[in-house]
Amino acid sequence: NAGVTQTPKFQVLKTGQSMTLQCAQDMNHNSMYWYRQDPGMGLRLIYYSASEGTTDKGEVPNGYNVSRLNKREFSLRLESAAPSQTSVYFCASSDWSSYNEQFFGPGTRLTVL
Amino acid sequence: DQQVKQNSPSLSVQEGRISILNCDYTNSMFDYFLWYKKYPAEGPTFLISISSIKDKNEDGRFTVFLNKSAKHLSLHIVPSQPGDSAVYFCAASNSGYALNFGKGTSLLVTP
Repeated sequence: NAGVTQTPKFQVLKTGQSMTLQCAQDMNHNSMYWYRQDPGMGLRLIYYSASEGTTDKGEVPNGYNVSRLNKREFSLRLESAAPSQTSVYFCASSDWSSYNEQFFGPGTRLTVL
Repeated sequence: DQQVKQNSPSLSVQEGRISILNCDYTNSMFDYFLWYKKYPAEGPTFLISISSIKDKNEDGRFTVFLNKSAKHLSLHIVPSQPGDSAVYFCAASNSGYALNFGKGTSLLVTP
């Protein structure tokens, strides 16, 4: 059981470039989430998907898009990266029966120059 | 506006003693509270939780206390071990999917 996996682990982009962060879980969870963590801050929810086929905005969705590709996979896309999007991005998943107890991936450290 | 606050950025405790990490919240609609532990370069790991209908939940060395009237919760670790050194995040939700996280407290347990 790999749990929640994220690729890539590190990425450096130039302002204006685009990229997609990939996330997959093998726990058969229904719900998946994308968070960002900035220095000295807690995690902030970007988008979440309560179930396959649905996505909803979180606290900080601007500049991002998401796709729930199937039950296992949830991707986060930056269409035109900005330095303010330099952060560590965490993907998480949870089961409906205990949706608050979210399982997190190892994170992607993104730097936008 | 930060709805979940962890006012102590860091805490240092000797091995074997009690560690007490505190968390305050402002939203009275929160009904579920969690603590996550995070090691460097890893994702947060769920540690323990408590529903608003309870005032205490215990799991081994970890106990979470909830004081709803004060909008305050605390995590007690007894006895503290060097492997407990990590950043601890308090989180809260109001029956939804979104978790509101505090900024974290970095715990250092010294031998």
